[in-house]
Amino acid sequence: DTGVSQNPRHKITKRGQNVTFRCDPISEHNRLYWYRQTLGQGPEFLTYFQNEAQLEKSRLLSDRFSAERPKGSFSTLEIQRTEQGDSAMYLCASSLALTGGQETQYFGPGTRLLVL
Amino acid sequence: SQQGEEDPQALSIQEGENATMNCSYKTSINNLQWYRQNSGRGLVHLILIRSNEREKHSGRLRVTLDTSKKSSSLLITASRAADTASYFCATQGGSEKLVFGKGTKLTVNP
Repeated sequence: DTGVSQNPRHKITKRGQNVTFRCDPISEHNRLYWYRQTLGQGPEFLTYFQNEAQLEKSRLLSDRFSAERPKGSFSTLEIQRTEQGDSAMYLCASSLALTGGQETQYFGPGTRLLVL
Repeated sequence: SQQGEEDPQALSIQEGENATMNCSYKTSINNLQWYRQNSGRGLVHLILIRSNEREKHSGRLRVTLDTSKKSSSLLITASRAADTASYFCATQGGSEKLVFGKGTKLTVNP
């Protein structure tokens, strides 16, 4: 399978715990995005990377959230001191932007987080 | 905040009928994309239409874009039960982020 992969697919945690999600983009893609989707809503942008540089962050990304893409390949999204309001589907997407243009973003299956 | 707004919120049709979904947005865009999402799963990209394009086809899909009205439509012809899903429009402007609407939930009855 050469698509975007995300692990784990499901995560249940207790309030106050830290969680980390991983995203592996399509191998040659240089851009990687994180979105969050709550029930009945469309996805909302969190942040994106071009190679290893984090170029944009949403105000939704509070100081409890941190994302990294250390070698410009896979990315991790960590949530510290989780709250019940963090319960959502966390989606990762990647794209290939050769000349700085905007291209199709391909999404992974998501990680569903439930905070008890 | 979400820019796009799909209409209708829910649509139920019989297999073989055409399904039309509309999307309106508020600010200027570089492109508009349509995605499909089956229940509880990731998004599947359907089609991208750039701001200088007016219509695009892909298989049974036809997308139109009217930048003067800030609106787009997605037509699925000869629908199948497998088309049952939520459909989202997403816009891209000066930023790389996609801004999604709340989606249209399509049910195709066999």
